[in-house]
Amino acid sequence: GENVEQHPSTLSVQEGDSAVIKCTYSDSASNYFPWYKQELGKRPQLIIDIRSNVGEKKDQRIAVTLNKTAKHFSLHITETQPEDSAVYFCAASTAGNNRLAFGKGNQVVVIP
Amino acid sequence: GAVVSQHPSRVICKSGTSVKIECRSLDFQATTMFWYRQFPKQSLMLMATSNEGSKATYEQGVEKDKFLINHASLTLSTLTVTSAHPEDSSFYICSAVLSNQPQHFGDGTRLSIL
Repeated sequence: GENVEQHPSTLSVQEGDSAVIKCTYSDSASNYFPWYKQELGKRPQLIIDIRSNVGEKKDQRIAVTLNKTAKHFSLHITETQPEDSAVYFCAASTAGNNRLAFGKGNQVVVIP
Repeated sequence: GAVVSQHPSRVICKSGTSVKIECRSLDFQATTMFWYRQFPKQSLMLMATSNEGSKATYEQGVEKDKFLINHASLTLSTLTVTSAHPEDSSFYICSAVLSNQPQHFGDGTRLSIL
């Protein structure tokens, strides 16, 4: 099955700087890659997603890039703010199968 | 946007009790619902995939007789943790999805077994 790895496990950034989280996946058939943000004790919330027919997608301060050849995708957060502090999970799934394989999560801490 | 409601949000009960958790898609009919378990500081672990009107598909290592899943309608799935023990204490989260749309998660249920 699909194996998703996520690095680094913890990331601390100064407010206003950029944060980048990278994930790799193993199944070349995977074609859908969402990113979820989870605050302590709360539900994971979808913040951005990308499909394999697109190399990059941006939504205000958040962007995701996908490299199908290398089988990795990254989350970019610019101009970080304290409210960006949370755990971020990447995931991958294949066409026709909504079953998501999650990475282990990345704790992002934005230092004011 | 898509709203998924999960109830109850918190359960504290004695060992041996069975606990039922409900997951509802409020503004859409979900083709599939998923049940996850999340231990502190860990990722979401998929327990089972539930489709309306059919038996749930359980992940390897998840006991189907321990974690009973019923998917009675396109908007409701239930997870029953039978004869719960302290090691079953965890954060249980459901998600619902329509066709190839993104998964939307419920608020989760924090289960504590004494």
